[in-house]
Amino acid sequence: AQSVTQLGSHVSVSEGALVLLRCNYSSSVPPYLFWYVQYPNQGLQLLLKYTSAATLVKGINGFEAEFKKSETSFHLTKPSAHMSDAAEYFCAVSGRNYGQNFVFGPGTRLSVLP
Amino acid sequence: KAGVTQTPRYLIKTRGQQVTLSCSPISGHRSVSWYQQTPGQGLQFLFEYFSETQRNKGNFPGRFSGRQFSNSRSEMNVSTLELGDSALYLCASSLGRFEGQETQYFGPGTRLLVL
Repeated sequence: AQSVTQLGSHVSVSEGALVLLRCNYSSSVPPYLFWYVQYPNQGLQLLLKYTSAATLVKGINGFEAEFKKSETSFHLTKPSAHMSDAAEYFCAVSGRNYGQNFVFGPGTRLSVLP
Repeated sequence: KAGVTQTPRYLIKTRGQQVTLSCSPISGHRSVSWYQQTPGQGLQFLFEYFSETQRNKGNFPGRFSGRQFSNSRSEMNVSTLELGDSALYLCASSLGRFEGQETQYFGPGTRLLVL
C-alpha cells in the first residue's frame, strides 16, 4: 500500500528565506507525486506534479520539487518565501496502475514571518 | 475552462438529518472523487466515481453514499448525521482512470456543520 509522510506539521520561515517542505513516500513502484496548496477556507490547488519525466519539477508561484528515488523523497522548495505563501501544503502519491487512488500526506502548515 | 464547482458552499444541519452535496467536474473530466477534511483526521478519501459507477471506496460507514450522473456530475449523501460529520467535503475531478489522466483538480469544498 502506498503512504506519504510529511516531516513537520508546522514550518515557520522568515520572508525572503528558503522554504523546504519535506515529503517521503512509500510505494512498491515509482509513483506519480503531487504537491497541493490549500489557503484558508478554500479547496486544494495543484502546485506541481512528477510523472516520470524530469526529476526536477517546476511548479507555479516559484515552487519546485525534486524526485529522488534512492531517498523515496519529493521535497518542495522555494528560494525566497513571500508572505502570500503562508498556507497548508499537501504531498500526495498516486499509483501508476489503473484506477489507483490518491493518498495524501497529513499536510504541513507554512507560516511566513515578516 | 471552468473549474470544479461544489454546491452549496456552506451548510448547517442538526443531528439525525440527512444532507446531499453536489459536485460539477471540469468539462471533459469523467472521474470524480470525494474527500472529507477535518482538523483531526486530515484528508480522507470517501469514494471515487467513473462512468456512473463507484470504483473505489474509503473506510467510511454506509451512511455515506454517492452517485454519478451521465454528465459526470456527482452527488454525495450523508444520512443520519452525527456531530463528527462536521467537516469540509472536497470534490476532485480528473480526466479518467488511465495513466496520464490521474491529476486531480479540486473544488472549493462544502463546509458542513452538524449541530
